This record gives sequence, structure tokens and C-alpha cells, in this order.
Amino acid sequence: GENVEQHPSTLSVQEGDSAVIKCTYSDSASNYFPWYKQELGKRPQLIIDIRSNVGEKKDQRIAVTLNKTAKHFSLHITETQPEDSAVYFCAASKGGQNFVFGPGTRLSVLP
Amino acid sequence: GAGVSQSPSNKVTEKGKDVELRCDPISGHTALYWYRQSLGQGLEFLIYFQGNSAPDKSGLPSDRFSAERTGGSVSTLTIQRTQQEDSAVYLCASSLWVRQPQHFGDGTRLSIL
Repeated sequence: GENVEQHPSTLSVQEGDSAVIKCTYSDSASNYFPWYKQELGKRPQLIIDIRSNVGEKKDQRIAVTLNKTAKHFSLHITETQPEDSAVYFCAASKGGQNFVFGPGTRLSVLP
Repeated sequence: GAGVSQSPSNKVTEKGKDVELRCDPISGHTALYWYRQSLGQGLEFLIYFQGNSAPDKSGLPSDRFSAERTGGSVSTLTIQRTQQEDSAVYLCASSLWVRQPQHFGDGTRLSIL
């Protein structure tokens, strides 16, 4: 079955710097890759997603890149702000069915 | 409704009791998912419903766990003979269709004494 790894597990950056979180997946048939942000005690919220027919997607300060050959995808956050501090989860899905989530990255943006 | 609704928000029960957790998905969403999240951990897939198709139960950890979805809308996750290791937050999510963004509920925090 699918296996998703996520690195780093924790990440601290200075406000204004960029943050990058990388995920790798094992099933080459996976074709949908969402990223979720979860603040303490809150529900996960989708921040960006990418499908396998696209190499990059951007939404303001957030971007995701996908390398199908290497089977990895990355989340890029630029000009980080304290409110970006949260746990970020990547996920991989084949046909929108069984979503396999990464273990999460705890991002701390230091003022 | 405006979002995915789960009830109860908190449930405390004794070991060995059965519990039922409810999820009301966003109206019109055909796909519904249940996940389990232990403290400080990631999301563990449990079960997936899509329209009238047979559910994908591959993530259910034991035969004490079952779920149903009536009328393609409300879903109930049942845990029989609860054990302490069942303590976690149980999250429900729905999406309009496959490969569409999932919208999560606030979860049910289950504590087994």
C-alpha cells in the first residue's frame, strides 16, 4: 500500500523567512496531493492541493511542487508570519479514495 | 449545513462500553471519510464511503469498529467493547466528489477510562 514520509518533523524559522516541507510517496499511481494546516485543538484545513497532471501550483505565499518521477512533493511558504505556526500534513491519494497522510511537520515562526 | 458537523464533541466512557459517533457531511457531498488522530500524531485513515458504492473498510483497526452511512448522508462510526487504546480524536471529512478537497469536522474527542 501507499506510504507517505514527511520531513522535517519540526521546523523553526524567523518571521519573514521561507519554510519548505517535503513529502515522499511510494505508490506511483497516486494522483492527488493535498496539504492541510492544523492549529492546536482545531480541525485540519486544506491550504493547497495539486493533481498529478500539474508540476506546480501557487496561491499567494503558498506553493506546492510535484516531481512525479522522484515521487515527492513539497510545500513552500514564503514571507512567513507568526500565524503560519501550526502542524502541516501532506497526503497522497489514488483516485480520491484511501488518503494516506504524512506524520506532520510542526512549524514555528519566531517573531 | 455550512460545514461538516460531528457529535458529540467529547465522549468519556468506561472500558468495555460501546460508543457511537455521528457525522453530518456537507449537503451534496458524495464522499465521506473517517480518520483517527491520537495526541500529537498524524491522521489514520479508517473508512471511506463514496455514493452508493461499497465502503473501503481497509483502515478499520479491528472488527470492533464498524461504520455505516444512511441515505448517502449521515454516517455513524461504532466502536464496540471499547479499549483504552481507542482514546483519540475521531475526525470526519466529506468532499464533493473523489479527488476534491476534503472538509473536516471538529472531531469527537473520545476518552476511555
